[in-house]
Amino acid sequence: DAGITQSPRYKITETGRQVTLMCHQTWSHSYMFWYRQDLGHGLRLIYYSAAADITDKGEVPDGYVVSRSKTENFPLTLESATRSQTSVYFCASSERNGGISYEQYFGPGTRLTVT
Amino acid sequence: QKEVEQNSGPLSVPEGAIASLNCTYSDRGSQSFFWYRQYSGKSPELIMSIYSNGDKEDGRFTAQLNKASQYVSLLIRDSQPSDSATYLCAVEPDTGFQKLVFGTGTRLLVSP
Repeated sequence: DAGITQSPRYKITETGRQVTLMCHQTWSHSYMFWYRQDLGHGLRLIYYSAAADITDKGEVPDGYVVSRSKTENFPLTLESATRSQTSVYFCASSERNGGISYEQYFGPGTRLTVT
Repeated sequence: QKEVEQNSGPLSVPEGAIASLNCTYSDRGSQSFFWYRQYSGKSPELIMSIYSNGDKEDGRFTAQLNKASQYVSLLIRDSQPSDSATYLCAVEPDTGFQKLVFGTGTRLLVSP
């Protein structure tokens, strides 16, 4: 199916474990993003990517690693999970044409609990 | 720190009424503005984008942008109970290159 998918949808892990959240989009959008959403903070950008092999930090990148070897995939890795990383994680994608930023479309989210 | 401010609500309106949601932003050079709707436990869903001063209408939704006053609003006409959700305002700062800054959202409750 066309669109943007995330896996897993739910994940429980222990403190100190490495966790990878997957994101896949079929629109061939250049831009992809990872956000976390927490009560009281709204959506905060973790990392984004403008194209394959081009990534940059967002507002809250500490403790996270990303890669983008293919345009359609943008995995997010928590190298050593901490309880403060318990959150809902959303992946999004969009396109940009010249100076105009097009809309970002969000995946269904991954609810991560770190115990 | 670029900021986007929204009243957290809840904003309660009766069915059929007009709901008015407001958002202010701090970066005067911002160029792109978006409204998202988010139902509880779901992902944000794009409703409107607006780039120029004035009004933009799409069905029951109207986005209004005033760059001089640094606010953007969303009007929902003929509100329905199904419109009950949290509405997120997102702004692309001048040097943001798609690094949107989101408000914390306004919760809208439409009563039958």
